[in-house]
Amino acid sequence: GQQLNQSPQSMFIQEGEDVSMNCTSSSIFNTWLWYKQDPGEGPVLLIALYKAGELTSNGRLTAQFGITRKDSFLNISASIPSDVGIYFCAGRNYGGSQGNLIFGKGTKLSVKP
Amino acid sequence: GAGVSQSPRYKVTKRGQDVALRCDPISGHVSLYWYRQALGQGPEFLTYFNYEAQQDKSGLPNDRFSAERPEGSISTLTIQRTEQRDSAMYRCASSLAYSGGGQDTQYFGPGTRLTVL
Repeated sequence: GQQLNQSPQSMFIQEGEDVSMNCTSSSIFNTWLWYKQDPGEGPVLLIALYKAGELTSNGRLTAQFGITRKDSFLNISASIPSDVGIYFCAGRNYGGSQGNLIFGKGTKLSVKP
Repeated sequence: GAGVSQSPRYKVTKRGQDVALRCDPISGHVSLYWYRQALGQGPEFLTYFNYEAQQDKSGLPNDRFSAERPEGSISTLTIQRTEQRDSAMYRCASSLAYSGGGQDTQYFGPGTRLTVL
């Protein structure tokens, strides 16, 4: 089946630092999504990308839909403590089931001790 | 406004028992999705509905798992003869529409944590 490779698996941030994470896929997607999950909560959509090459910002977040349709990255600028959580990328196929979002394993952001 | 709600939030059951997990989508949302999320993993698709019609159940692990949405609103995911490997977080999501730009954005509920002893 399709696989999404998300990296890094975890990272520590210091307030003010920029953060970058990415996802790669073994096959093409026509939609890329980035979600954030806080403890005890469901994933919350941060950014949705619908077109190859698209670069979209949401406040301090910026995400891009790779030109090959097989990858996407998410950048967080000037991180703050509330950015801590788990970030998931998700993709939807061409011609696949409309509901079939495929998720990465997540990138866990923690505060640097 | 109210988001997606799920009940119960936690369910502990013994192996072999049947369980029913409930999802109440956002009012007016056409599509409803079920996912399963293991610890340290992303959500894994199980099945989804448009209105009351089950469109895709390819993600259901085996025939012990079934789902229904008889009136196109609330949905129930049923697991018969539960096994320990069924233990996971079961998440429901809903979307306003099933295609077209942002209208198919999926909003997730808080999940039901199922533990099978």
